[in-house]
Amino acid sequence: GAGVSQSPRYKVAKRGQDVALRCDPISGHVSLFWYQQALGQGPEFLTYFQNEAQLDKSGLPSDRFFAERPEGSVSTLKIQRTQQEDSAVYLCASSLGRFLTFGSGTRLTVV
Amino acid sequence: GNSVTQMEGPVTLSEEAFLTINCTYTATGYPSLFWYVQYPGEGLQLLLKATKADDKGSNKGFEATYRKETTSFHLEKGSVQVSDSAVYFCALSNGFGNEKLTFGTGTRLTIIP
Repeated sequence: GAGVSQSPRYKVAKRGQDVALRCDPISGHVSLFWYQQALGQGPEFLTYFQNEAQLDKSGLPSDRFFAERPEGSVSTLKIQRTQQEDSAVYLCASSLGRFLTFGSGTRLTVV
Repeated sequence: GNSVTQMEGPVTLSEEAFLTINCTYTATGYPSLFWYVQYPGEGLQLLLKATKADDKGSNKGFEATYRKETTSFHLEKGSVQVSDSAVYFCALSNGFGNEKLTFGTGTRLTIIP
């Protein structure tokens, strides 16, 4: 596609619920990143894929967070047993070279 | 580790005023430096970049110069417009091909007519 597409755009989850956030990167982009942006803060790195391989997951805040990219294209970020502190905008970005193109993000609100 | 310290906002200026948003960094190696902009309701967009010392990135009237001696990458614009109202993020990535970005906390800029 023309850009990085993320869905849903907004998600409200009850505390304890599992959520899945989807990212469709730009076609052909090898690298895919997930970032978490808390309110009033800059984005913070969560995890990085090169094709289907998850090369860096050092930013995932707990074992409740899991990401996958099984065919090297679409990626899903899953959060299990959501907590209020998980409320944030989750940004996906993809790249073919050095510079990233970001999606508009999914705003997750845990109530 | 890598870190970016950015001028805290919010910043409010009148149209046609001169803008400076300060950014300093700490990094290993030879990082690349970026300014991203986030307009209301939109995703992050790359505004400009510089990949080595003394490089000047520029776009849409904005400029920033990579100063290795002062570890800075200040954003400037000579005459701001209302349409420049947005949140601006300074960021860096390590220069050896790792595209993982470290961001500053962002500066909200509001331009009043």
